[in-house]
Amino acid sequence: AQTVTQSQPEMSVQEAETVTLSCTYDTSESDYYLFWYKQPPSRQMILVIRQEAYKQQNATENRFSVNFQKAAKSFSLKISDSQLGDAAMYFCAYKVTSGSRLTFGEGTQLTVNP
Amino acid sequence: DTAVSQTPKYLVTQMGNDKSIKCEQNLGHDTMYWYKQDSKKFLKIMFSYNNKELIINETVPNRFSPKSPDKAHLNLHINSLELGDSAVYFCASSQATLAEEQYFGPGTRLTVT
Repeated sequence: AQTVTQSQPEMSVQEAETVTLSCTYDTSESDYYLFWYKQPPSRQMILVIRQEAYKQQNATENRFSVNFQKAAKSFSLKISDSQLGDAAMYFCAYKVTSGSRLTFGEGTQLTVNP
Repeated sequence: DTAVSQTPKYLVTQMGNDKSIKCEQNLGHDTMYWYKQDSKKFLKIMFSYNNKELIINETVPNRFSPKSPDKAHLNLHINSLELGDSAVYFCASSQATLAEEQYFGPGTRLTVT
């Protein structure tokens, strides 16, 4: 069974600084997707960034980028120039290409300090 | 022009009652899901429907019964509510069963007293 682990229950960062959230996963599949979702206090689940496992290039979306290490089964999220609006719970998630089930990690609560 | 909507957003009820949560998507997607987020914020899939057909049915008590009247709607009915059912329930949809992106609704916070 696939599992996703986020070892940092809480992280904090100063506004305008950079923070990295960690995620590791376990799978025997070779084709899959990885995602980072953001859940602000409003509770809405917002897709931040996605990575296809077959792509070696790390995905980037504006201030958000990932460090995807397929052999190490690691998928970290880097947030640059952190803003107050980035404060939220961040979830790492995995989906095998041939399936529809999203498997989530436990989440990391990010606090942004002014 | 909400993409995935859920009603109600909040639901407070007593143990033993039966309640339903409704979900509708206007994205034209053919696959819909129910996820449960527990008190520790852990999210786990419960059910998935593709074109009104059940394709994922996790180990969920049979008090929970999903119903999909058409591919734009997926409702969740819960019988004989228990305290442990208190959670946030999210509906989601995707373009196809194997689509990479799922779009989530705003969630329904269910509190059982």
